[in-house]
Amino acid sequence: QKEVEQNSGPLSVPEGAIASLNCTYSDRGSQSFFWYRQYSGKSPELIMFIYSNGDKEDGRFTAQLNKASQYVSLLIRDSQPSDSATYLCAVVSTGNQFYFGTGTSLTVIP
Amino acid sequence: EAGVAQSPRYKIIEKRQSVAFWCNPISGHATLYWYQQILGQGPKLLIQFQNNGVVDDSQLPKDRFSAERLKGVDSTLKIQPAKLEDSAVYLCASSLAPLQRGYYEQYFGPGTRLTVT
Repeated sequence: QKEVEQNSGPLSVPEGAIASLNCTYSDRGSQSFFWYRQYSGKSPELIMFIYSNGDKEDGRFTAQLNKASQYVSLLIRDSQPSDSATYLCAVVSTGNQFYFGTGTSLTVIP
Repeated sequence: EAGVAQSPRYKIIEKRQSVAFWCNPISGHATLYWYQQILGQGPKLLIQFQNNGVVDDSQLPKDRFSAERLKGVDSTLKIQPAKLEDSAVYLCASSLAPLQRGYYEQYFGPGTRLTVT
């Protein structure tokens, strides 16, 4: 079982719609959770981090964490073509090890 | 503020040859990470340094990979001998926060794309 699992996609949404990206993790004791965006041929860049149950909003982005279900998600409101990228979920395990998922490819269609 | 620097940006070698990558983290960042990202996959942590000490190298193939961080600043990652499956992008990242619960914002360098033929 992988430490962090994501649906690889591709996920396609029309411009202006809400994109929903999901991630599950195996280590119940994990405490820190991150969403990174990676454009093709570029390095990952941090979008958001969350470590408390519930929602955390930053502009058009909302991260949601449910530790009981071992589930973390990212919502992108008013999706723009510039949001087209691969979104990586990352988790810090109880051993302080950093694990990335395989990423979900998002395409926003104008 | 200068970002994480890596060199070279691209490298093509034949299998069984050796190769080395260099990373200069953001000034003042105590934690340095090396990742391997194979096409279509997420980054896989190879080794993590805290200053010049190794924190985690559990996923580093130690029979062929080695890394060091002299004086707690620059770092080098070496592969010797290389295999075809080592073809990947090697990413270096650094972080201001030391190991603690909570926030580990990592800043990534541009990466080195390695092709082993």
